[in-house]
Amino acid sequence: EPEVTQTPSHQVTQMGQEVILRCVPISNHLYFYWYRQILGQKVEFLVSFYNNEISEKSEIFDDQFSVERPDGSNFTLKIRSTKLEDSAMYFCASSDRRFPSYEQYFGPGTRLTVT
Amino acid sequence: SQQGEEDPQALSIQEGENATMNCSYKTSINNLQWYRQNSGRGLVHLILIRSNEREKHSGRLRVTLDTSKKSSSLLITASRAADTASYFCATDSSGSRLTFGEGTQLTVNP
Repeated sequence: EPEVTQTPSHQVTQMGQEVILRCVPISNHLYFYWYRQILGQKVEFLVSFYNNEISEKSEIFDDQFSVERPDGSNFTLKIRSTKLEDSAMYFCASSDRRFPSYEQYFGPGTRLTVT
Repeated sequence: SQQGEEDPQALSIQEGENATMNCSYKTSINNLQWYRQNSGRGLVHLILIRSNEREKHSGRLRVTLDTSKKSSSLLITASRAADTASYFCATDSSGSRLTFGEGTQLTVNP
């Protein structure tokens, strides 16, 4: 069964460093998302992406964040200058969104630790 | 209260019993989805129910949706130890983002 994959599974970085989190969405999906989950808290939406542009972003997704689909398969989240509070599990998701398939399928996550 | 609140926060039952988790939300929705998360792991999609549906089944799962009360319930029948996980409801209101609840931690004791 097709699934969303994410790399790396765990990333440790120092405050102020740039990180790139990578995702390979399900191949025939058109909509891509990033969410994050701070330890012990609920999952929060960051951004959605469709047709090579951001379709919606949350207040968390400030100028330090960017997303890109550099080729036909990868979808990346970049954090330019990491802060301690960016430590979280980051989930990529993808969706078909053609009726009736509105399910969002999530990857296993990348645990980002900022020291 | 925030969109997508589950109750109870924690539920502990014996294997073979049924588990019922509830979710309430505030705004109108296009659909509501339930996910399972094992400790420290990813989110596994369980079931989606659209706003014009009232009940849906998938294996041992039964989901109901009451849009007049802005609430949903997830019933797991004949629970197993392997069902131990956190369960989240997530609402799709804007056509893009999912808004997650706090989750219910289910423990099924063998």
